Amino acid sequence: DIVMTQSPDSLPVSLGERATINCKSSQTVLYSSTNDNYLAWYQQKPGQPPKLLLYWASSRESGVPDRFTGSGSGTDFTLTISSVQPDDVAVYYCQQYYNIPYTFGQGTRLEIK
Amino acid sequence: QVQVQESGPGLVKPSETLSLTCTVSGGSISSYYWSWIRQSPGKGLEWIGSMWYTGGTKYNPSLKSRVTISVETSKSQFSLTLNNVSPADTAVYYCARNFRWGEWYFDLWGRGTLVTVSS
Repeated sequence: DIVMTQSPDSLPVSLGERATINCKSSQTVLYSSTNDNYLAWYQQKPGQPPKLLLYWASSRESGVPDRFTGSGSGTDFTLTISSVQPDDVAVYYCQQYYNIPYTFGQGTRLEIK
Repeated sequence: QVQVQESGPGLVKPSETLSLTCTVSGGSISSYYWSWIRQSPGKGLEWIGSMWYTGGTKYNPSLKSRVTISVETSKSQFSLTLNNVSPADTAVYYCARNFRWGEWYFDLWGRGTLVTVSS
């Protein structure tokens, strides 16, 4: 199985500041023949299901604010929130869909400092 | 727009069978691919399996011996069956959509249903 490891587990950020969440996979999720990274990011608020933010590592889902940006390739990926807003308080997960079983990171809890 | 909703018992006894149904509304079940995912405090988010309208499936190897996902196209529903459950199977179970073949991220989720395994 591909193990997804996120860091940090908890991230206190001041309003308007930048937040950076890291995700590392135990093996590559880059399909070299198409140069696609099989990596998605989700946001989950309390009592709600996860919400898709980004797929193919950097493609933003329709309706997701452009302050959310994904980057990285191969085994190392980053979710950046350029200017944290109160509505961004949530747990964020990465997920690989390169190989079965599809696996998720353990989550990073974003809180307001 | 397309919506999905899980339904089924909230309490299952150990060694018995967990059965859940996901109802698709606002769109055709045949146009997309569908998955079950669960979330527990101990194991986080765990992909259970995926299916498509022809009845094809793929499963998480760790659960494959106990899981069946099936579709009832006429009712716009797909189902999850998990045999011989234990307390470790206690989780919130979600059904979710995969928009295209090969794009196995989940762009639409149900609200989830909590299943507790306890005697």
